[in-house]
Order: sequence, then C-alpha cells, then structure tokens
Amino acid sequence: GAVVSQHPSRVICKSGTSVKIECRSLDFQATTMFWYRQFPKKSLMLMATSNEGSKATYEQGVEKDKFLINHASLTLSTLTVTSAHPEDSSFYICSARDGGRGNEKLFFGSGTQLSVL
Amino acid sequence: QQQVKQSPQSLIVQKGGISIINCAYENTAFDYFPWYQQFPGKGPALLIAIRPDVSEKKEGRFTISFNKSAKQFSLHIMDSQPGDSATYFCAATYTGNQFYFGTGTSLTVIP
Repeated sequence: GAVVSQHPSRVICKSGTSVKIECRSLDFQATTMFWYRQFPKKSLMLMATSNEGSKATYEQGVEKDKFLINHASLTLSTLTVTSAHPEDSSFYICSARDGGRGNEKLFFGSGTQLSVL
Repeated sequence: QQQVKQSPQSLIVQKGGISIINCAYENTAFDYFPWYQQFPGKGPALLIAIRPDVSEKKEGRFTISFNKSAKQFSLHIMDSQPGDSATYFCAATYTGNQFYFGTGTSLTVIP
C-alpha cells in the first residue's frame, strides 16, 4: 500500500516553543492531506484539511494561528504548533488521500507524540 | 453530530473466537466504508474497505458485512488472534469529502 511518512515520531519541548511536524507521501501525490489529533483511547479528531497550493480549512474550534499548516507540494504537508503549551500535548496524525487511486483511499502517517513540559 | 456510530467501545474475545464490531451511518451519500486498525503509538492502517454495491467483502480472516437498507456495516474477525488486539475504527466518506470516523473499538484477544 501507499506510504505516508511522518516525522518526528516523538518530540518533547518546553512551553512556549514551536514544533514542526512533517508529513510526506512517499509513493503518490497527495492533493489532500488531513491532520488529526488523538487523545488516549479516543477517536481521531479532524483538525484541518489541506489542499496543495491553497490555505488549509480548519475545523470549528481549532485555532489556525496556533496550528499552522502548510501544504507547499503534492508530497509534503507540515503542521507547526506555535507557542506550545502543556494542553497541546497529544498524539498528532497526518493522513493523505491518494488521488491517483480513485481518491477514496486514505493513508496515515505513524503519528507524532508531542509532550510539552 | 456523530456521522458514524460504532459499537462496542471495547471487546474481549478468546483466541480462536469471532470478533464483531458494528457501525451505523446516516448519510446515504457515503459510498466508501473502510476499516482501520491501530496499534498503540502508531497511526491507523487501512485493513479492509467496501462499497455499497456489495453486501460482503472478505480478505483473509477479515470480513465486512454491509446492509445498505439498514445503513449498517460490520467487521468480523474470524479465528481471532492475540496479534489482532488493537483499536479498530470504522469510517465513511464520499468522493471528494472528508472521512468520518467511528469512536473506535478496543479489541483484546485473550490467549
């Protein structure tokens, strides 16, 4: 199946710093990428949808100035958590839709565990 | 509102038994129904998926049963193994739209 690479897998940072998470589609072009947040033993919470070359669409309640999303190419999207605080600690997962395979298949990255001290 | 409802929240099955997870949806525009398997600390992985034009799809020990009139679909894991212990999410979408996920089922297979 298609591969989505997400880095880093784990990051620990101090409160007030910014953290960038990268999501790459390795063997297909991802016209659409999604960013999710997941709390322990909970479902996936969609944060935003990003389309290559355009601004991301954020879900209600997600601060776009805090969670900056850039989708500069068909294979790379980044999520930057700006001025991170302990309440931002969570598991962040990206996913990419493979437009070349009928655009319904969604592939996930391996996730990033963010811990803000 | 919850577009896809999933049950049970947790499930314990003996090794060799059948695990059954159910999902229900409301939007009749949905035309693709995947199931994802997630291990702790990892992203979800596509397990099996079905379209509404068929009532059943089988891949190895995993089977999806789909009931279009009832707007329900379920995942059956035959001969469940301890290695199947994971969280399972159902989802639904239609072309060009976002994916709507169920709330997840934590499956534990006891040796």
